[in-house]
Amino acid sequence: AQSVTQLDSQVPVFEEAPVELRCNYSSSVSVYLFWYVQYPNQGLQLLLKYLSGSTLVKGINGFEAEFNKSQTSFHLRKPSVHISDTAEYFCAVSTAPNTGNQFYFGTGTSLTVIP
Amino acid sequence: AAGVIQSPRHLIKEKRETATLKCYPIPRHDTVYWYQQGPGQDPQFLISFYEKMQSDKGSIPDRFSAQQFSDYHSELNMSSLELGDSALYFCASSYRATERGSYEQYFGPGTRLTVT
Repeated sequence: AQSVTQLDSQVPVFEEAPVELRCNYSSSVSVYLFWYVQYPNQGLQLLLKYLSGSTLVKGINGFEAEFNKSQTSFHLRKPSVHISDTAEYFCAVSTAPNTGNQFYFGTGTSLTVIP
Repeated sequence: AAGVIQSPRHLIKEKRETATLKCYPIPRHDTVYWYQQGPGQDPQFLISFYEKMQSDKGSIPDRFSAQQFSDYHSELNMSSLELGDSALYFCASSYRATERGSYEQYFGPGTRLTVT
């Protein structure tokens, strides 16, 4: 079975400061990794994904994440946050290409950017 | 670009009533997933369909059923509603292909169900 742990439920950070949102996963098979962002009362928007290849993945809005297989981590980073980055961030894993391809989500990290 | 469409966006029902949520996937996507997100919680996988057949089942209660139709849209039917069913229900779609780059799920805006 797969599971995802987001170590920080809430992360406050000042505007223009760097931020790292941590994600660790557990799986006995190869996984695909994703970060989604959810703004208040909205759906989930894909920030970035790791499927294979380079372990450093760049996404939208200046976010990037690094896949570390030995540490089973996929931490999300941004060098300088904006007020508009305030949202809920979810890390997710899937084990496609098997049938199903259901996503397993972490419990989310609430990022609050302080002016 | 076309996105996943869910209807209705908001729904208020009373206990023991029935609700039907609809999902229209992105054109040419063949796989639909349903997730339930309770207040302050992460999305939980309910069920998925591939080419109109159920492909995977998660924590979907027996009171719920779902299907995917010939035009690939999907409906989630919820009966004997309980207060605990109040949640945001997401539909996601994807195109299942042999290439590893095709497993991204695109999420709809969700249907917020309130059971009173």
